[in-house]
Amino acid sequence: KAGVTQTPRYLIKTRGQQVTLSCSPISGHRSVSWYQQTPGQGLQFLFEYFSETQRNKGNFPGRFSGRQFSNSRSEMNVSTLELGDSALYLCASSLGTGSEQFFGPGTRLTVL
Amino acid sequence: AQSVTQLDSQVPVFEEAPVELRCNYSSSVSVYLFWYVQYPNQGLQLLLKYLSGSTLVKGINGFEAEFNKSQTSFHLRKPSVHISDTAEYFCAVKVVGGGSYIPTFGRGTSLIVHP
Repeated sequence: KAGVTQTPRYLIKTRGQQVTLSCSPISGHRSVSWYQQTPGQGLQFLFEYFSETQRNKGNFPGRFSGRQFSNSRSEMNVSTLELGDSALYLCASSLGTGSEQFFGPGTRLTVL
Repeated sequence: AQSVTQLDSQVPVFEEAPVELRCNYSSSVSVYLFWYVQYPNQGLQLLLKYLSGSTLVKGINGFEAEFNKSQTSFHLRKPSVHISDTAEYFCAVKVVGGGSYIPTFGRGTSLIVHP
């Protein structure tokens, strides 16, 4: 069974631009969560989607948004990029809320 | 709210030596506890988890952890490490119950195994 895939793996953007990251969960998994990982703040939860509905949201500004499609694939969008948005963005999928999460390799975003 | 403290940011050790990575948590309610490993340029992989029952939990790659409720600790141990164990290790806690599987992560401990 294929694992969680994230595209692209690496991304370089400039301040003020916007970016969209994609996550394909393990087949059959309906829950997708997004995390931001930085050296200073560690792993921070962004949001969780289940069956196309946002179930939980972390403490991030409105510039960070996401969505989930009917096939459970999820996208995360960051608008008006700031230097501090440079991070590794991790996606995790699970069968449902309360189930074990499986992480993808991440997308490393660099904002110049 | 719950929190996790990983007491060491970096742990250097020689190959075949034993290692312990420390984790303490704070929570006013019952919790589930987890250890994850992250190899360079990869996502997180679950090493082991404590949900209930025996306080000694065995995981993959020869790792084990012991849940100590009185000391609110969940330290990770391995009796003999390999070079390939060099990675970042994260302790995480999740409140028991509720409909979400959103854990709170510690800042991570970098395990560096020297030959």
